[in-house]
Amino acid sequence: NAGVMQNPRHLVRRRGQEARLRCSPMKGHSHVYWYRQLPEEGLKFMVYLQKENIIDESGMPKERFSAEFPKEGPSILRIQQVVRGDSAAYFCASSPLSGTPGNTEAFFGQGTRLTVV
Amino acid sequence: RKEVEQDPGPFNVPEGATVAFNCTYSNSASQSFFWYRQDCRKEPKLLMSVYSSGNEDGRFTAQLNRASQYISLLIRDSKLSDSATYLCVALSGNTGKLIFGQGTTLQVKP
Repeated sequence: NAGVMQNPRHLVRRRGQEARLRCSPMKGHSHVYWYRQLPEEGLKFMVYLQKENIIDESGMPKERFSAEFPKEGPSILRIQQVVRGDSAAYFCASSPLSGTPGNTEAFFGQGTRLTVV
Repeated sequence: RKEVEQDPGPFNVPEGATVAFNCTYSNSASQSFFWYRQDCRKEPKLLMSVYSSGNEDGRFTAQLNRASQYISLLIRDSKLSDSATYLCVALSGNTGKLIFGQGTTLQVKP
């Protein structure tokens, strides 16, 4: 059973370009979380999705950022018109179910390191 | 006030020492709690789940005190390889969202 897969592992974008980060959850997991981590800082929640639904996007910047988790395919975090401040590690985690003890553990992908030059 | 708070440390301890980390949470509706470990520039890895009053796994013991809304992690007989950042996590009972503390850094010295 493959773990959470994120790609690309490293992404370099020029200011103003778009960045698309992909996350394939573990088999059988229907919940996906995205977190951002700046150097020397903690994990900051961005968005929580279920298949075809955004459950909580309270951590997403109001502009330029969007996320989706379609019925088929990976979850995508999209950053439009990137700026230097978007440079960070973006981690995705997946879990099988939410709210049910024993079915709530989340497992992380290896992250995508975004560098905006 | 942050939803999940931890002392960032760093905690510097010698090999073989016992060290304890505390974590407090503000949302009384939180149902499940976890400790994750994160090594430098890598993804967080699940260390322990804490569902009821606590549990033990080898040298690691996690405790949950719902009345005081805090979780603790005890590491006995520290090893050099225990050096990492330990993240306390609460599962929000309202939204199912996982809320991370800022992490506590542990450095185990020879």
